[in-house]
Amino acid sequence: AQSVAQPEDQVNVAEGNPLTVKCTYSVSGNPYLFWYVQYPNRGLQFLLKYITGDNLVKGSYGFEAEFNKSQTSFHLKKPSALVSDSALYFCAVRVPGKRQLTFGSGTQLTVLP
Amino acid sequence: GAVVSQHPSWVICKSGTSVKIECRSLDFQATTMFWYRQFPKQSLMLMATSNEGSKATYEQGVEKDKFLINHASLTLSTLTVTSAHPEDSSFYICSAGVNLRSSFSSYNSPLHFGNGTRLTVT
Repeated sequence: AQSVAQPEDQVNVAEGNPLTVKCTYSVSGNPYLFWYVQYPNRGLQFLLKYITGDNLVKGSYGFEAEFNKSQTSFHLKKPSALVSDSALYFCAVRVPGKRQLTFGSGTQLTVLP
Repeated sequence: GAVVSQHPSWVICKSGTSVKIECRSLDFQATTMFWYRQFPKQSLMLMATSNEGSKATYEQGVEKDKFLINHASLTLSTLTVTSAHPEDSSFYICSAGVNLRSSFSSYNSPLHFGNGTRLTVT
């Protein structure tokens, strides 16, 4: 069975500092990996995905994520955090051939001014 | 880009009544839609997969008679919470993918989400 783990419930970072939100996965086969962001009382917005190719994926709003097959990780990163980046972030995985996404438990990111 | 519209954004109802939530794909055809439930500060729990023109597929532990799903067209899926109780209060989110049923290559496409419906049962 596929699963996704986000080991940190909460991440705090000062504005202007780099941020990292961690994600590890467990699947059989090659995964499709996604990051989504959720603002209060809203649905999820797609940030970026890894399918194949370069391990460093660039997405929306200056976010990027690095796929590491040996560590089965797909950490979300941003070089310089903004207060407006404060939100709930979800990592998700889809196994090829399956339609649904499996989500991690979410990480609340707070960027302090 | 692909837009999913979910309505209503919030609803308050009395215990024992039924509530219908609509999920529409505005600029694409969605043969498959997904219904999720989210509790405060928790992840999304997949409730069911809605397939246009056929019966929905429910996840284990989800009562299909309580959470009725209808996907009568390529752009609309509805979730009806029947005989709602306070424990059904939650945030319900729908999502849709483009051609997920017919195109293997589209499995790498992201899902597009509605803005969710906050259901409160009193």
